[in-house]
Amino acid sequence: KAGVTQTPRYLIKTRGQQVTLSCSPISGHRSVSWYQQTPGQGLQFLFEYFSETQRNKGNFPGRFSGRQFSNSRSEMNVSTLELGDSALYLCASSLATDMNTEAFFGQGTRLTVV
Amino acid sequence: GNSVTQMEGPVTLSEEAFLTINCTYTATGYPSLFWYVQYPGEGLQLLLKATKADDKGSNKGFEATYRKETTSFHLEKGSVQVSDSAVYFCALPKAAGNKLTFGGGTRVLVKP
Repeated sequence: KAGVTQTPRYLIKTRGQQVTLSCSPISGHRSVSWYQQTPGQGLQFLFEYFSETQRNKGNFPGRFSGRQFSNSRSEMNVSTLELGDSALYLCASSLATDMNTEAFFGQGTRLTVV
Repeated sequence: GNSVTQMEGPVTLSEEAFLTINCTYTATGYPSLFWYVQYPGEGLQLLLKATKADDKGSNKGFEATYRKETTSFHLEKGSVQVSDSAVYFCALPKAAGNKLTFGGGTRVLVKP
């Protein structure tokens, strides 16, 4: 079956702009999580959605937001982009919200802010 | 909350050498433990997992045993190949839900 699909794969944006990233989870998976990966900070949790509800949120400013649709697809939005937002953004889907359930990751969206 | 500490890299090895990457954790209860691998330009792939104490996860020649007494989950492979060159992450759930906390990653470079 198809894996986690993230679009687009690459983005270049200018400071001050906003961006929307998309994630389609594995069919049947209702939990979607987002992570930011940077060389300096490593992998950091952004937020988790289950059945269109945000269940957990990481320590990121309000410029970072997300949502989940009824078909489990998720989007994250970053407004007023800063240079430091340049990163690989990874989406992960899981079958359930049980903490022992493995997460499956997409290939990521590489965002470059200039 | 739960946390994980992973040995820093890079680790440079010759083909067919033995690989071990240390990972220790702090956790409430006994959550599942995971190793993920990231190949250049790619996202993360689940390499293996263990769900309870003394459980051994294995995949693609890699193994890791969930050690409760030493709170460790070290990754090992007996004979590495050039294709194993990647960054390896140890991870466990932060708390309830699917929020994972990751180690800093260990870059492994295998030379022919």
